[in-house]
Amino acid sequence: AQSVTQLGSHVSVSEGALVLLRCNYSSSVPPYLFWYVQYPNQGLQLLLKYTSAATLVKGINGFEAEFKKSETSFHLTKPSAHMSDAAEYFCAVSEGNTPLVFGKGTRLSVIA
Amino acid sequence: IAGITQAPTSQILAAGRRMTLRCTQDMRHNAMYWYRQDLGLGLRLIHYSNTAGTTGKGEVPDGYSVSRANTDDFPLTLASAVPSQTSVYFCASSLYRNTEAFFGQGTRLTVV
Repeated sequence: AQSVTQLGSHVSVSEGALVLLRCNYSSSVPPYLFWYVQYPNQGLQLLLKYTSAATLVKGINGFEAEFKKSETSFHLTKPSAHMSDAAEYFCAVSEGNTPLVFGKGTRLSVIA
Repeated sequence: IAGITQAPTSQILAAGRRMTLRCTQDMRHNAMYWYRQDLGLGLRLIHYSNTAGTTGKGEVPDGYSVSRANTDDFPLTLASAVPSQTSVYFCASSLYRNTEAFFGQGTRLTVV
């Protein structure tokens, strides 16, 4: 069965610094991978998705993620953090015929 | 505006009472899901439906039931609420099982 591990329940960065949120997955077949963002008291919003096309995926708000099969990773990055990026981020995996399985989330804090 | 509507937005419920959380989507999506979100545990799948008339169990189905009489509606019922069911419940839908899921705003349920 598929699973997701997000390394670090809380990440803190300075405004303007690189954002790196880590996600490793386990899947018995080529996976579909997703990153979602959740702002306080809201539902989840899709940031980006990988569906076996280009390995570098660009999403909304300047975020991108790279699929690395050899490392079973799908880390989320953004070159320069903004205060508005402070939120909870979730990585999710699907094996194509199954509902999304989510990681436990990483809370991103941005320090002025 | 197309999307997912959940009701109620919040509820305080006495233990032992029956409660139905409502979810309606107007995107004509085939698949629908119920997740619960708990601090430190991320989102866990309760039940899902791949198409109208079918349902399946997720990771944490005990104490919950669902039905999918038509494409648009996917209610979640707690037959006899217990305090451990205190959580934020999210309904989601996707066109197919392996496409991105769209989320409602959530229902915050407190069982006392």
